[in-house]
Amino acid sequence: NAGVTQTPKFRVLKTGQSMTLLCAQDMNHEYMYWYRQDPGMGLRLIHYSVGEGTTAKGEVPDGYNVSRLKKQNFLLGLESAAPSQTSVYFCASSHGGGLFFGSGTQLSVL
Amino acid sequence: GESVGLHLPTLSVQEGDNSIINCAYSNSASDYFIWYKQESGKGPQFIIDIRSNMDKRQGQRVTVLLNKTVKHLSLQIAATQPGDSAVYFCAENYVDSSYKLIFGSGTRLLVRP
Repeated sequence: NAGVTQTPKFRVLKTGQSMTLLCAQDMNHEYMYWYRQDPGMGLRLIHYSVGEGTTAKGEVPDGYNVSRLKKQNFLLGLESAAPSQTSVYFCASSHGGGLFFGSGTQLSVL
Repeated sequence: GESVGLHLPTLSVQEGDNSIINCAYSNSASDYFIWYKQESGKGPQFIIDIRSNMDKRQGQRVTVLLNKTVKHLSLQIAATQPGDSAVYFCAENYVDSSYKLIFGSGTRLLVRP
């Protein structure tokens, strides 16, 4: 039982490049979330999903897209990366109570 | 928009003392609150939660107090240990079906040996 697994752990992009962050959970949770965390700040919700095939916008959705084709996976895409998207990205899942977080992806956009 | 905030960005305590971390929330409709601990380079870790129909909840060495009248949440850590050094976040859940959490900006707890 691995919990919430994020890949990759680190990535460096050039401005304008695209990439996809993968989140996988093995707890059969319905709800999944993508947050970003900037230095010295709390977590801000980007997008979330309340079930397979559904997605919704969070607090800071601009510049990101998501997909939940399978219940256990939640993908976060950056179509054209910008320096403002340099951050640590956390995925989380929930059964309807507290969130369980992955270990994060450190993304730098140059 | 409404948000969760913290009074103190950094709290320094002596090992063995009790720690109290405070949080103010502004959304009176929130019905579920959680405290998370985040160590450097790791994801947030669940500590304890409380629902709005409760005033107090205790765990192992931790207690969460909820004062709905003044919209205040606190985390008490008994006999603080060096391993408690981390950033602590409170989070609130709005009353809807998505169970998404809104996080405060965090308080860093430093434990002096």
